[in-house]
Amino acid sequence: GAVVSQHPSRVICKSGTSVKIECRSLDFQATTMFWYRQFPKQSLMLMATSNEGSKATYEQGVEKDKFLINHASLTLSTLTVTSAHPEDSSFYICSATPGPTWDEQYFGPGTRLTVT
Amino acid sequence: QKEVEQNSGPLSVPEGAIASLNCTYSDRVSQSFFWYRQYSGKSPELIMSIYSNGDKEDGRFTAQLNKASQYVSLLIRDSQPSDSATYLCAVSGGTSYGKLTFGQGTILTVHP
Repeated sequence: GAVVSQHPSRVICKSGTSVKIECRSLDFQATTMFWYRQFPKQSLMLMATSNEGSKATYEQGVEKDKFLINHASLTLSTLTVTSAHPEDSSFYICSATPGPTWDEQYFGPGTRLTVT
Repeated sequence: QKEVEQNSGPLSVPEGAIASLNCTYSDRVSQSFFWYRQYSGKSPELIMSIYSNGDKEDGRFTAQLNKASQYVSLLIRDSQPSDSATYLCAVSGGTSYGKLTFGQGTILTVHP
């Protein structure tokens, strides 16, 4: 149980375009989903917390207008990187947790974004 | 001061040995503690969670928690080459309830 999927697994886009990444919980309903970014040889950095039906909460320094998060259902959250630039190239990973008092997070396989 | 700190590594152990990974945290009211394993190019995989003081064993893995010392560790017995990965300590609760704060990770290499 506790399987989280992400799509696409890898994407290459041109500078200035937008990219959407989907995160799905496959066998449980995820009240909360989290989006992380990981640069090479660094640890995971939390970008935002997404609760179903409400606006995402962004961490300090993360531009909410650039990284649009939508958590439209209990099994799906999307991250859209708008007007992507080469410095946005990174490994984006989502995680999900089944409920408000359940703090084990299960991670998706990640999406490797390369902006050329 | 980093919120979650791990021994920097890299750590290299021979196959069959015990690998010991350590982590300290700064938020005294943290409640939940996790160890994740991350292979190169992959996302983290949860291998242990621990919530109360003492030891918790799961197969070859033992997590140890000492809240008074703000210290959590992971022991891997009978280490295998397939255990070679980056191990991430993560903490939640307290002032950051529901959010995980990760350490920088310790690279473990198990050599045959």
